[in-house]
Amino acid sequence: RKEVEQDPGPFNVPEGATVAFNCTYSNSASQSFFWYRQDCRKEPKLLMSVYSSGNEDGRFTAQLNRASQYISLLIRDSKLSDSATYLCVAIYQTGANNLFFGTGTRLTVIP
Amino acid sequence: GAGVSQSPRYKVAKRGQDVALRCDPISGHVSLFWYQQALGQGPEFLTYFQNEAQLDKSGLPSDRFFAERPEGSVSTLKIQRTQQEDSAVYLCASSLDWLYTDTQYFGPGTRLTVL
Repeated sequence: RKEVEQDPGPFNVPEGATVAFNCTYSNSASQSFFWYRQDCRKEPKLLMSVYSSGNEDGRFTAQLNRASQYISLLIRDSKLSDSATYLCVAIYQTGANNLFFGTGTRLTVIP
Repeated sequence: GAGVSQSPRYKVAKRGQDVALRCDPISGHVSLFWYQQALGQGPEFLTYFQNEAQLDKSGLPSDRFFAERPEGSVSTLKIQRTQQEDSAVYLCASSLDWLYTDTQYFGPGTRLTVL
């Protein structure tokens, strides 16, 4: 079983729609969580960190549910420019090899 | 300012050839990571440097893979006797400090194709 699992999608949504992705992690000791965005044939870029209390950055909201071991990303009012693959990351314990990426969820926003 | 750069951007190798992939991290960044990203997958950790010290190489898939960062800045990932399963994008990332939770800045990657 992979450390971090995501629905690969693709999610095809119309402009203006709200879309949510979930990501589950297997190790309950995971401490830190992030969402990265990766455009086609580009490098991953940090989108936002995920805090226990939840956090919002404009149209993006990230939530953490420790009891169920998942993190979520909500995108409101989708824009064409939101089309990308969204990768979740979980880090547990310490040590560089305790950083795990999910396989990514592909989002396409349709005009 | 300059981000992380990698070269070459694309590399085609015949099976059995040796390749060397270069990473120039952001100046002053202490930590440097190498990842392997297969098609349709997320990046998978290969190795980690703190300055010139290779503190973790547990993700290297075989002894054909070797990485170095001799002066604590530029790093090279070398793959000997390449195999088809080595075909992937190799990503380098650097972060300012030594904390594993620091923001990692990724380079554009080197796309390796082994024929």
